[in-house]
Amino acid sequence: DTEVTQTPKHLVMGMTNKKSLKCEQHMGHRAMYWYKQKAKKPPELMFVYSYEKLSINESVPSRFSPECPNSSLLNLHLHALQPEDSALYLCASSQYLATDTQYFGPGTRLTVL
Amino acid sequence: GIQVEQSPPDLILQEGANSTLRCNFSDSVNNLQWFHQNPWGQLINLFYIPSGTKQNGRLSATTVATERYSLLYISSSQTTDSGVYFCAVDNYGQNFVFGPGTRLSVLP
Repeated sequence: DTEVTQTPKHLVMGMTNKKSLKCEQHMGHRAMYWYKQKAKKPPELMFVYSYEKLSINESVPSRFSPECPNSSLLNLHLHALQPEDSALYLCASSQYLATDTQYFGPGTRLTVL
Repeated sequence: GIQVEQSPPDLILQEGANSTLRCNFSDSVNNLQWFHQNPWGQLINLFYIPSGTKQNGRLSATTVATERYSLLYISSSQTTDSGVYFCAVDNYGQNFVFGPGTRLSVLP
C-alpha cells in the first residue's frame, strides 16, 4: 500500500484562527515532507522530518510549525495566517531521505480569509 | 541552488499521438522523479530515475546524468494523460526541487 492520507481535504480559516493539518502514512517510511503549492506553480518544499530531525526551508514563516508525534504522523500547525498563504498543502513520505521515491497525499486546499 | 527547467511549457496533442517531455538540471543529482498532477491536484509518481532507462506501459523515461537531462516519453496518448507533468530533483541536499512543469492537454 503506497497511500499517504491528509485531512482535512478543504479548510477555510480567518487570519486570527489556529488550525492544524494532518498527514499520515503506514508504509514504515522514515522521511516525511510538507510542500506548499500555489495555483499554476510547482510545489515548494517547506519542511522535512527524517530520523527524528526536522529540517526547515529558511523562507518559511514562523506562522507555520510542523510537529511529528510519531513516525507515521506529521502535523502542520497554522497560526495567524495571511491571505497569501492560501494554497494547496501537500504531504509526502519516502522510505529514505533524498534517495528514494516520494509518495504524495491528495493535499489540503487552504483558503485564508 | 540547483535549477530545473522543463520543456515545452504547454503541449496539446490529439489522442493517439506520441510526445517527449524534457527536464534539464544544472547540477549533479542523486534523485530524480517524474510526476503527473491530475486536475484534482493529486501528484502521482511515474518514475524514480536518477539515471538509466525505465518503462511502465505507455510511459518510459531516460535520464542521462552526465549530461544533466531527463526525458519522459508518452506513447499513444489518452485523454486521461492530461494534466501537468513535473520533474523534481535532489542534489545531495535536503531540498527536493520541482521544475515548472509541462501542461499537457490530450484532445479526443
